[in-house]
Order: sequence, then C-alpha cells, then structure tokens
Amino acid sequence: SSELTQDPAVSVALGQTVRITCQGDSLRNYYASWYQQKPGQAPVLVIYGKNNRPSGIPDRFSGSSSRNTASLTITGAQAEDEADYYCNSRDSSGDHWVFGGGTKLTVL
Amino acid sequence: QVQLVQSGAEVKKPGASVKVSCKASGYTFTSYYIHWVRQAPGQGLEWMGIINPSGGSTSYAQKFQGRVTMTRDTSTSTVYMQLSSLRSEDTAVYYCAREDYDNFDYWGQGTLVTVSS
Repeated sequence: SSELTQDPAVSVALGQTVRITCQGDSLRNYYASWYQQKPGQAPVLVIYGKNNRPSGIPDRFSGSSSRNTASLTITGAQAEDEADYYCNSRDSSGDHWVFGGGTKLTVL
Repeated sequence: QVQLVQSGAEVKKPGASVKVSCKASGYTFTSYYIHWVRQAPGQGLEWMGIINPSGGSTSYAQKFQGRVTMTRDTSTSTVYMQLSSLRSEDTAVYYCAREDYDNFDYWGQGTLVTVSS
C-alpha cells in the first residue's frame, strides 16, 4: 500500500501533551517526516528521521516510530502550535513519496 | 540563505497547460533533488513528482503520468513543472520543495493555479 493514514482532527488543552499518529505499510521501512502548515503558509518541516528537529523548531516537538506507525508528540502544546500536521515518507516501492491526509490540531 | 522562489499566480482555461517555475538560490543547485507538491483548496498535500537537477532525471506520481513534465535549467538554477490538459480539479496551490535525505527542508512560497472557463 502507498497510503499513510492520519486522524483528521485532534484537540489538546493548552500546556498539555498531544500525540498525532500516522500509519502505513511503508513506515516499516522508511522514517516519516512531519510538516506543520498554518493557514495561507507553506508547510514547515518539524521532525525528520528517527527523532530530529531542524534548527529553530522548539524541543517540545518530538517523533517516534514503531512497526507501521509514526508519531509526532507535542509536549506542553502552545497556542501557536494550532495548525495542520502532515506526515510524509517514501511509499512501499521506495521510488515515490506519499503524504498522510493531515491532522488538524486545535489547542483549547 | 536557501530560497526557492516560485512564479506568480496563473489562471487557465480547461484543456490548457501551465508552466510553473521555481528558482533556487543559496546552495549548490545540482546537489539536491526538487519535488513538486500540490494542495487543492481546503485539501491536503499531494506529491506530484521529483526531478534531479543534476542529470534531469524525473519520476512522477502515477496519477500525473502523461500530463506532467518536470525540467530544469542549470544555467539559471530553475526548475519547471508543466501540467497539461488542465481541468477544474487541478485548481490548487503548487509548491516546489528541496529534498535533503528524504525530507523536504525548504519550500517555495507556492503558486496558485486556477482552472476556470
């Protein structure tokens, strides 16, 4: 399968911890990367590889993976974290890439 | 600093073609693959394909095979994405993104393509 599946929407109380998941067969062989997208803006890479953050991304963002599931965790969610989050990896063939359907995160 | 600057918004009629450019700066153009990703209004991200700026080789998503062509001009550090036989469902923001070891670390600002009669 070349699909990555995400929950459409997740909510979290301000300052609490939230986990956003991404499932797909290709994740057994490839790491997922995670992108944050705010309205009207281009996506921004927030997590890649085993658990790496690009420069400038707060350390409250972390990543993990197990079998066919990748997870993005925000520890101590802030109001500015409210956004759409997309996972991405190569597909099972390894020649193409695929995005998850996206998760809309609401910070209450 | 790394920048990907895309061409401006386009309005096209059904059946026409569109060519979007993505000019890279701040790094060695031929050292990183470029991907194209699109996003229809209110929808998620959709991967379209990849081009190797060094040799020009490409790989396209099955959905766009036969309709999309990605090219590059090394003299101007620019990548192009042409989509033909446009239909209303192709209305979307088109992004180019630089790949660094499977990750899209820099993105263009996006180009809105509107297909309407």
